[in-house]
Amino acid sequence: AQSVSQHNHHVILSEAASLELGCNYSYGGTVNLFWYVQYPGQHLQLLLKYFSGDPLVKGIKGFEAEFIKSKFSFNLRKPSVQWSDTAEYFCAVSSGYALNFGKGTSLLVTP
Amino acid sequence: EADIYQTPRYLVIGTGKKITLECSQTMGHDKMYWYQQDPGMELHLIHYSYGVNSTEKGDLSSESTVSRIRTEHFPLTLESARPSHTSQYLCASSESSGTYEQYFGPGTRLTVT
Repeated sequence: AQSVSQHNHHVILSEAASLELGCNYSYGGTVNLFWYVQYPGQHLQLLLKYFSGDPLVKGIKGFEAEFIKSKFSFNLRKPSVQWSDTAEYFCAVSSGYALNFGKGTSLLVTP
Repeated sequence: EADIYQTPRYLVIGTGKKITLECSQTMGHDKMYWYQQDPGMELHLIHYSYGVNSTEKGDLSSESTVSRIRTEHFPLTLESARPSHTSQYLCASSESSGTYEQYFGPGTRLTVT
C-alpha cells in the first residue's frame, strides 16, 4: 500500500509569512495528487490537485503546489499567509479506487 | 459546494447499542466511501462502494457494515457499539471516472461511553 508522509504536524506562522508544507509519497507508478484543507468546523475541501501536465499547480486562495516526480514530493506553498488560513491541511495520493492521506498538518496563523 | 450530508453530526451512545450513521449525496456519484479519523491522525478508508449493491472493505479493518441500496445513500451500521469505536467518521463520494476527486461530508463525531 502507498504511504503518504507530511513532515510538519504543527506549524505556527505570523501573518504575511511564507508557507511550505512538505508531502512525500511512496508509490512509484502513476498517481493523482491532492491537497485538502479543513477549516475549523467545516468540511474537508479540495485545495488543489495534480493529474498531469504542468507540475506547478495553482489552487484556491493563493495556494500552489509543485509535483517533483524524482523526489516523490508534492509540497504545498503560499507566499503570504493570512489569519484565515488557519486550518488542518492534508496531502492525499490516489492510484486507483481510493485516496491515501497523510496525517495532516495543523497550521495556526497569528495576527 | 459539495452536496453530501451526514447525520447525526454528533452522537454520544452507550456500549452495546446499535447505531446507523447516515450519508447521502445529491451529485449522482457512483462511488462512495467511509473514512475513520482519529485526532492528529490520517484518514483511514474503512468501506467503499462502486455503485448500487457494491460494497467493499477498505484498508482499515472495521467492525462496521455498510449497504448501498440506492445511489445517493450509503449508511454505516455498528451492531454493538464499543468505546473503541469512538472516532470521527467521514463520508465521501466521487465520480466513476476522471480525476478521483472526492467530496466530503461534514462528518459524524461518535463517542461510545
